[in-house]
Amino acid sequence: QKEVEQDPGPLSVPEGAIVSLNCTYSNSAFQYFMWYRQYSRKGPELLMYTYSSGNKEDGRFTAQVDKSSKYISLFIRDSQPSDSATYLCAMRAPSGTYKYIFGTGTRLKVLA
Amino acid sequence: SAVISQKPSRDICQRGTSLTIQCQVDSQVTMMFWYRQQPGQSLTLIATANQGSEATYESGFVIDKFPISRPNLTFSTLTVSNMSPEDSSIYLCSVEAESGQPQHFGDGTRLSIL
Repeated sequence: QKEVEQDPGPLSVPEGAIVSLNCTYSNSAFQYFMWYRQYSRKGPELLMYTYSSGNKEDGRFTAQVDKSSKYISLFIRDSQPSDSATYLCAMRAPSGTYKYIFGTGTRLKVLA
Repeated sequence: SAVISQKPSRDICQRGTSLTIQCQVDSQVTMMFWYRQQPGQSLTLIATANQGSEATYESGFVIDKFPISRPNLTFSTLTVSNMSPEDSSIYLCSVEAESGQPQHFGDGTRLSIL
């Protein structure tokens, strides 16, 4: 079993839809959770960074962490064609290591 | 956030040759990392580039194959040595500007081995 599981998609939605992207993980030591967006031929771009459980909102993006279920989500409201990209979740344990564990990424396509 | 420049952005190389990839940051950073991204797979950490000392390699990666330098707080190189087609991948540099802050990535080097 992989430490981090992420549905690769592709996920196609109409413009304006609410998008839900998810990752599950097995290591209960993970405390820091990140979401990155990666456009074709570009590096991952940090979208959201959360510590421990709860919600964090930034514009149209909301990151949610449920540590009891070992489940994290990224919600995109009012999705736009420019949101079409691959979304990567990443996480790491609190101390003693800088190592991030990444999901494989979910390809999202927002249709105009 | 820090601006990270990687060179070259892409290359096509012959089997058995070596290529050095450069990562330049516009400000001093605490940590620098090298990752590999293969199609359909998650980003995999190759090593942590340590300033002034040997890099710390992850399981499955060795210094002879992926020598790394980090002469100062803004620059690092990764060499992919004695390349084979299995080394065809995207190689990414990332930085942690300050301890505890999230990592930021460069745009990567797309490497194809013939």
